[in-house]
Amino acid sequence: EVQLLESGGGLVQPGGSLRVSCAASGFTFSSYAMTWVRQAPGKGLEWVSAITGSGDNTYYAASVRGRFTVSRDSSKNTLYLQMNNLRAEDTAVYYCAKVRNVVVVDAIDYWGQGTLVTVSS
Amino acid sequence: QTVVTQEPSFSVSPGGTVTLTCSLSSGSVSTSYYPSWHQQTPGQAPRTLIYNTNTRSSGVPDRFSGSILGNKAALTITGAQADDECDYYCVLYMGRGIWVFGGGTKLTVL
Repeated sequence: EVQLLESGGGLVQPGGSLRVSCAASGFTFSSYAMTWVRQAPGKGLEWVSAITGSGDNTYYAASVRGRFTVSRDSSKNTLYLQMNNLRAEDTAVYYCAKVRNVVVVDAIDYWGQGTLVTVSS
Repeated sequence: QTVVTQEPSFSVSPGGTVTLTCSLSSGSVSTSYYPSWHQQTPGQAPRTLIYNTNTRSSGVPDRFSGSILGNKAALTITGAQADDECDYYCVLYMGRGIWVFGGGTKLTVL
């Protein structure tokens, strides 16, 4: 059974940094691309970032490019999102999700439960 | 910037059929956009219903179906049930590693 468990969310001040993690199990982690999707309170889903199965290629939404970094550690079956220079508008539940292919040219098939990041002074 | 548009809300009677759509601000949606549909009940994580236009995800009932209708991606729910009342999101692959979600459709079953 595929399981994705996010952690690391919390309260951070504007301009601060935070790293959220996603522990994956139930599938061969390195064989699948992964992605981060966020949802601000009361709002819709927003794609944030993606990474190929090998970790060689990463992609970002314009709203986070240059501030966020996605990475993965296949030895730990864990996906990361390093978030720097956080802004109030980054406040959201961050979901990690598995892609159906080793490359990102495909679709999400499994979602984690999410972790809440709140940016506020 | 490309915008993906969904109906903000839709209503269907119990047992009825409803089709939600997903369109582009410019151009037509095709299978090349790998359209997928995701269901979200309040306070819960999303769940994948349909991927690659019309393939049902594991465990999804066959009353959910996906297609291309004209220049839009479409999600059809046949025989709507009370627990289908929730939010539905489409997402399209735009190329160069970029995905864009639609704004979501809030479905009411009454």
